Amino acid sequence: QKEVEQDPGPLSVPEGAIVSLNCTYSNSAFQYFMWYRQYSRKGPELLMYTYSSGNKEDGRFTAQVDKSSKYISLFIRDSQPSDSATYLCAIGNNDMRFGAGTRLTVKP
Amino acid sequence: DGGITQSPKYLFRKEGQNVTLSCEQNLNHDAMYWYRQDPGQGLRLIYYSQIVNDFQKGDIAEVYSVSREKKESFPLTVTSAQKNPTAFYLCASTTGEGYGYTFGSGTRLTVV
Repeated sequence: QKEVEQDPGPLSVPEGAIVSLNCTYSNSAFQYFMWYRQYSRKGPELLMYTYSSGNKEDGRFTAQVDKSSKYISLFIRDSQPSDSATYLCAIGNNDMRFGAGTRLTVKP
Repeated sequence: DGGITQSPKYLFRKEGQNVTLSCEQNLNHDAMYWYRQDPGQGLRLIYYSQIVNDFQKGDIAEVYSVSREKKESFPLTVTSAQKNPTAFYLCASTTGEGYGYTFGSGTRLTVV
């Protein structure tokens, strides 16, 4: 079993839709939870990070962590074509463990 | 502007050759990381370093080597023993545990 599992998709939605991206993890000792966005042939860029259960909101993005279920989510509201990218979750402590990434396409 | 610079962007290697990928940061970050990215597999940790002159193996460290002689620099050598080195290599740094990583723009290595 991988330490971090993420559905690779691909996921295709119409512009304006709400997008839900998810990851599960196996180690309950993991303390830090991050989401990265990666455009094609580029390095990932940090979108959101948190270290506690609950929700954290930043503009159209909401990160949700449920430590009891070892499950994290990223919601994107009013999705835009510019949101089309691969989204990676990262979970861990000293060294972060990355999910496989979900490829998202938002169609105009 | 502060950031991480990886070079070269594209690298072609003949079988039997060692190659070194450069990673330089001017963010004054203590910790630096090397990841390998293959389609459908996400990022796999190769090596990481939390201080100068010290580094630890990640999940796939075999047939790779690193050095950390300066805080700003963390080069990765892909040895000729690596059977399938064709991949996208990413370098990252962070100021400490629990902080987000800053990534470079990556080096795409292809064996020809």
